[in-house]
Order: sequence, then C-alpha cells, then structure tokens
Amino acid sequence: DAKTTQPNSMESNEEEPVHLPCNHSTISGTDYIHWYRQLPSQGPEYVIHGLTSNVNNRMASLAIAEDRKSSTLILHRATLRDAAVYYCILRSSGGSNYKLTFGKGTLLTVNP
Amino acid sequence: DTGVSQDPRHKITKRGQNVTFRCDPISEHNRLYWYRQTLGQGPEFLTYFQNEAQLEKSRLLSDRFSAERPKGSFSTLEIQRTEQGDSAMYLCASSLDPTGHPLAKNIQYFGAGTRLSVL
Repeated sequence: DAKTTQPNSMESNEEEPVHLPCNHSTISGTDYIHWYRQLPSQGPEYVIHGLTSNVNNRMASLAIAEDRKSSTLILHRATLRDAAVYYCILRSSGGSNYKLTFGKGTLLTVNP
Repeated sequence: DTGVSQDPRHKITKRGQNVTFRCDPISEHNRLYWYRQTLGQGPEFLTYFQNEAQLEKSRLLSDRFSAERPKGSFSTLEIQRTEQGDSAMYLCASSLDPTGHPLAKNIQYFGAGTRLSVL
C-alpha cells in the first residue's frame, strides 16, 4: 500500500471545526482513502472513506484534493469524545488489500 | 451488544507460559483479522481468515503463534512460550464482504483488544 504522512499531533477547542490533513503523494488511481480513529483503551473505529469525490457521513467529512495527493478529514464541531488517534490509510484495489496498514496517526487533543 | 468481543481484556503471564485469546466476531461476518499494537504505534496486521480458512500470515507471526477459526465463527490466537517482547495489545476485527464486493472498500470492525503483559 502507498505511504501516508500525517502530523504527529493536533489540538483543537471544543465545538470548533477540526481539519486533519493527510498526504499521500504516491497514491494510485484505484486506491481508496480510509480514515479510522482509536479512542483511548479502545480498538480502532471506522470513520469514513472515499475515492475521488468529497464524502460526508454522520461522523465527519472527507475532502479529497483534485490531484488526490492529499486529503483532509473534517470534524465539524469537535467534542471531548473526539479526542483520539486518527489514522489515514490507503486501500489498494489489488494485492493484499484485505489488511489495514496503519501508520502512527495524528493524536487529536480537544480542549474544553 | 453485537460488536466484536474479545476475551480476556487483560492477561498477565510469566515468560515461558502459553496464553490463548478468544475473539467473537460480529455474527455472519465472513472475514476475521488479528492485529497487534505496541505502545505508541499503530496496529500491525498478523493474520486473516476468510470463513474457516487462514489465508494470510504476517512474518510477525512467528512459529510460537497459532490462530484458528473453527467452523468460521469465533477465533483463537495462541502464543506459546511467551517472551517479554510479546507484550502488546492484540486486536481482532471482522468484516462482511459479499462476493464481488471490492476489498478496498471494506470496513473492519474492531474489538476492544486483549492487553498482554509478559513478566
């Protein structure tokens, strides 16, 4: 799977929007962009995924750059429960794409 | 609760002992995965089952590790002759992927993990 680059940590205030960036300059045309998050003492939790177009769900929005070399996970109003490690993961459409290849992710701190 | 269940949540053992962890996936999920996570790192893939067949094993899975998924339901992960380096969180995940469903889109549902401490 192609490599992703994320900031080690970010900080936000409660009820403010959060933009979590991810760079994936070597992404191929058929790679899906997935985001998972891991709350303290929990297993990872699926957040959202997309291919080319921006995506919205009840948890977050995913904005994908036109050249697909970067993406941004958007939490519209951060809450204390959003404090977690956020992982940006590329899933190829071929090969060993059954597994998730995690990096170190971005540790999001939400201040009250 | 219909999520992925793992047992035990915590296990403390002495070096050289054998340990076994259990994972109950979400009912009817045909794929099951094991990952290992050490402090400060993201989870690392260990092995993967499609129904009862073990289709892939990471090179991280040494000969001391064995995983089974009899009858394609629950799974067990056994570590023989534990070493201090085995101390980690062991995570199980499952997914439902109908025939023809692109794996690149699959969503994996994780359990809360089993934290192993080897003294």
